[in-house]
Amino acid sequence: LAKTTQPISMDSYEGQEVNITCSHNNIATNDYITWYQQFPSQGPRFIIQGYKTKVTNEVASLFIPADRKSSTLSLPRVSLSDTAVYYCLVGDIRAQGFQKLVFGTGTRLLVSP
Amino acid sequence: GAGVSQSPRYKVAKRGQDVALRCDPISGHVSLFWYQQALGQGPEFLTYFQNEAQLDKSGLPSDRFFAERPEGSVSTLKIQRTQQEDSAVYLCASSLADRVTGELFFGEGSRLTVL
Repeated sequence: LAKTTQPISMDSYEGQEVNITCSHNNIATNDYITWYQQFPSQGPRFIIQGYKTKVTNEVASLFIPADRKSSTLSLPRVSLSDTAVYYCLVGDIRAQGFQKLVFGTGTRLLVSP
Repeated sequence: GAGVSQSPRYKVAKRGQDVALRCDPISGHVSLFWYQQALGQGPEFLTYFQNEAQLDKSGLPSDRFFAERPEGSVSTLKIQRTQQEDSAVYLCASSLADRVTGELFFGEGSRLTVL
């Protein structure tokens, strides 16, 4: 599984757009990029997954440049309830070993009024 | 229920006691996972079941940890002779597919405190 690097923490204010970048220089050809969100006292929750270019859903967008060595999770107009830890995971989702999701320490996002 | 259910939510044990943590996955989900999350850290993989078969237990930290899923639905994580370093949140997750496609559904976890 490719190693990922994320900022330890980020601060933002309500209504702003937040971009969290994850570096994964050793990403392999078959690897996908997956982001999870975790609120205090809860288990992680799947946010978005992508392979290349851009993926958008009702919660977030995921931007992946052509070289795929990094990715950016974009949260539009954050609210206080977006305060959480965000994890970037990289791996071959079709490989038998992918069940060993490697979460790392994630990025702690704090949204203030 | 609609989600993954874990019990107990909180467990306090004296060092040396045995504990059992239960996980009810989403109905029909083939794959079940256990993770351990220490304070301030991300979850770490413990073990994986596909139906009743335990296909990977490489993350279990010692032979004091044992997991089972005898009928392919409910799973139990048992920790024998608990130690203080076992204090953590134990997360259970399930997935519909027979292998992970990226989306795991996690329970709220069982917080174990060993005194």
